[in-house]
Amino acid sequence: AQKITQTQPGMFVQEKEAVTLDCTYDTSDQSYGLFWYKQPSSGEMIFLIYQGSYDEQNATEGRYSLNFQKARKSANLVISASQLGDSAMYFCAMRGPRYNQGGKLIFGQGTELSVKP
Amino acid sequence: DVKVTQSSRYLVKRTGEKVFLECVQDMDHENMFWYRQDPGLGLRLIYFSYDVKMKEKGDIPEGYSVSREKKERFSLILESASTNQTSMYLCASRPEQGGQPQHFGDGTRLSIL
Repeated sequence: AQKITQTQPGMFVQEKEAVTLDCTYDTSDQSYGLFWYKQPSSGEMIFLIYQGSYDEQNATEGRYSLNFQKARKSANLVISASQLGDSAMYFCAMRGPRYNQGGKLIFGQGTELSVKP
Repeated sequence: DVKVTQSSRYLVKRTGEKVFLECVQDMDHENMFWYRQDPGLGLRLIYFSYDVKMKEKGDIPEGYSVSREKKERFSLILESASTNQTSMYLCASRPEQGGQPQHFGDGTRLSIL
């Protein structure tokens, strides 16, 4: 069975510093995708970054980068130069093959990030 | 930009009522999903649809049904609302091509009294 584990329920970071949010996953599939979403207190889920299981390079999107270590089954999100607006819940998610319920997303329990001024 | 619109941000209903949650996407995506989000449990898939009139159960379909009569619209129906269905409901859509993210609506916070 597929599973996503986020071991940090809450984290604090000083404004302008970098922060790493941990994510480990478990799957027996060879083809899968890993996603990070941000959920502010207002509730919407905002897509941040994607990494495919066959991608050799780590994904980057602006201040976000994904540290993908396939052998360790980890997909940590790194946010550089934290801003106050980064305070939110962050979810790691995995999508399996199409035949598995339409390629549904399996989510971790989330990490609540608080950025301090 | 992809736009997924949920009809209500906040909704209060009474037990036993039939409740409709509507979701519309504007990007001609084949796949649409309904999740519920509860503290400590994360997001769980209720139902999904991969085409008009096609639907499949997710992990927690009990007490829910769905309707997809048009490609852009995916409705979640609580047949007879109960207090344990008080939750945050999130709709998402994505295209068929691999590697594409699911795009979410703003969510509906539903309270059943």
